[in-house]
Amino acid sequence: NAGVTQTPKFQVLKTGQSMTLQCAQDMNHEYMSWYRQDPGMGLRLIHYSVGAGITDQGEVPNGYNVSRSTTEDFPLRLLSAAPSQTSVYFCASSSHSSTGGETQYFGPGTRLLVL
Amino acid sequence: AQTVTQSQPEMSVQEAETVTLSCTYDTSESDYYLFWYKQPPSRQMILVIRQEAYKQQNATENRFSVNFQKAAKSFSLKISDSQLGDAAMYFCAFPFGNEKLTFGTGTRLTIIP
Repeated sequence: NAGVTQTPKFQVLKTGQSMTLQCAQDMNHEYMSWYRQDPGMGLRLIHYSVGAGITDQGEVPNGYNVSRSTTEDFPLRLLSAAPSQTSVYFCASSSHSSTGGETQYFGPGTRLLVL
Repeated sequence: AQTVTQSQPEMSVQEAETVTLSCTYDTSESDYYLFWYKQPPSRQMILVIRQEAYKQQNATENRFSVNFQKAAKSFSLKISDSQLGDAAMYFCAFPFGNEKLTFGTGTRLTIIP
């Protein structure tokens, strides 16, 4: 049982490049989320999904795209990378809503550096 | 505004002593959950403890307990018998609305041997 996996672990991009951060979970969780973590700002929600085919915006969605074609996968796309997107990105999943007290399980994170 | 505030960016405690990390939040809801997550140097986020607002009794998980004061909108985490492995960033979190789990800015806890 791998839990939540993220690839790559580290990536360097040039401004304007695009890339996809991969996230997969093998726990059959309906809920999946993407967060970014910046120094002094905690974790901020980018996008989330409550099931396959359903996505919604979080607190900081600009510059990011998501889709959810399967229960297992929830990729995050950077359309045109900017230095402001330098951050550590975490994917998380849960079987039910956090509003119902459900634990979120986090991946190990992807460190992204945009030059 | 829906906010989660951790006013202590850094805390330190002597090994085996007790430390309390503070968290306040703002909500108009009456029934909700609150969470404390831990992020050790490995960066892996792990749930420490959760509290349901309508329960009178403070949640406890081994050496970790909360002091939940609903009227004051305060949700502190107490760590007893601190161990070196407790050194980490600790985040308070509140699920505002549909799935929008909001985290505080975190408290970095250092354990002094």
